[in-house]
Parts: sequence; structure tokens; C-alpha cells
Amino acid sequence: EAGVTQFPSHSVIEKGQTVTLRCDPISGHDNLYWYRRVMGKEIKFLLHFVKESKQDESGMPNNRFLAERTGGTYSTLKVQPAELEDSGVYFCASSQDPVGTEDTDTQYFGPGTRLTVL
Amino acid sequence: EDQVTQSPEALRLQEGESSSLNCSYTVSGLRGLFWYRQDPGKGPEFLFTLYSAGEEKEKERLKATLTKKESFLHITAPKPEDSATYLCAVQAYTGRRALTFGSGTRLQVQP
Repeated sequence: EAGVTQFPSHSVIEKGQTVTLRCDPISGHDNLYWYRRVMGKEIKFLLHFVKESKQDESGMPNNRFLAERTGGTYSTLKVQPAELEDSGVYFCASSQDPVGTEDTDTQYFGPGTRLTVL
Repeated sequence: EDQVTQSPEALRLQEGESSSLNCSYTVSGLRGLFWYRQDPGKGPEFLFTLYSAGEEKEKERLKATLTKKESFLHITAPKPEDSATYLCAVQAYTGRRALTFGSGTRLQVQP
């Protein structure tokens, strides 16, 4: 079974430019999450999709970040315009709803996109 | 606000030298505590989920335990391939699925 994939693996852009990150979740996973780690900090939650709907956007830092999930499949995260403090590693994770005796879902992470804003 | 603190920040062991990593947490009702392993340049790889105090889970040389305030990841007779950053995360009973992560413990196992 293919894992979560992210593209690109690395992006270097100038301040003020636009960048779009893509995440393909594990097939059949309705839940899709975005997280990021900025330099020296822990991984922080950004938002959560259930299928194509935004379930929780509480971690989005500001309105320069726009996430979409068309048709409930892959997701994109656009940063426009990018600022220096947006540099970091952006992770996507996906999960299916709990099954059986599980109390919560297990989130499986992709390899991340390293974003460098110069 | 949910908080996760991991210690030590870094740990160097000799091959075969057992040790434990600590994850202290503060959460408004624990729904689940998660352990992940992360190798350089890769994403976190899921290891365990613990739900309630007293619970233990094992996988090869790793065993995770949980109390009401902290979790331990015990590594028995580690091998160099166990070298990685180990991350702890919590999920609260708030209706949100967001994970709150600690900053991790970087483990290096020398042959």
C-alpha cells in the first residue's frame, strides 16, 4: 500500500512569491491533515480536512495560507505571498476513521516538503 | 493549552545499553498518546498509541508505557538502526483530531 506522498520535496522561493504544496493521502483515507515545523520548533498542527470539508482550521497562521482538497482526494496548501518566517518543513498526514475498538485515528505522515523563503 | 515536554533532548547510547525516553504531558482529557520515530529527511513514522494509564505496548526492542502524567519509551538492547528522533504527541478529548507534539529526543546508538 502506497503511503502519503508530498510534492515537491524541496522548494526555494523569494519573499513575496507564491508556492503551492501538494499532498496525496493514502487511498481511502477521508481525513487529511497539514502540519509544519519551523526551525528549532516542534511540529505544529495547521488544519484538518474530512473528505473535501475543512473540519478544523484553528492552526492556520494567517490568511496568506490557503488549503484546498478538491473532490476529497489530494490536497494543496498555497502560501501567497510567502514571508521569511514561512520557511520550514510542511508535513501532510492522513487517516481513516477509528475502527473496531480503537478510540481514535492513527495519522500517517508523508515525507514533508522543505520550504525555504529567501 | 495542551503541552508535551520530552527529555532528554539528546541521548547517546552504546549498542546493547538499555535506556528510557520520557514524555510528560498536560492535556484537557487525554484521548490518545502517540509515539513516532523520525529519521533525517523523512516524515514521522507511527510506532504506538496509548489510551489509558497502565497501558503498555511493545514492538521489537521498544516498549511504551503510560501514566496519568507521562509516558516512557523503553529501548532494550538498542542497535545502531534504532538511531532516530523519537516524537511524542497527544490528542485531547475536545472533538479536535489535532496532535500536539513534543520537540523530540534525538537518539544515537553507537556500535
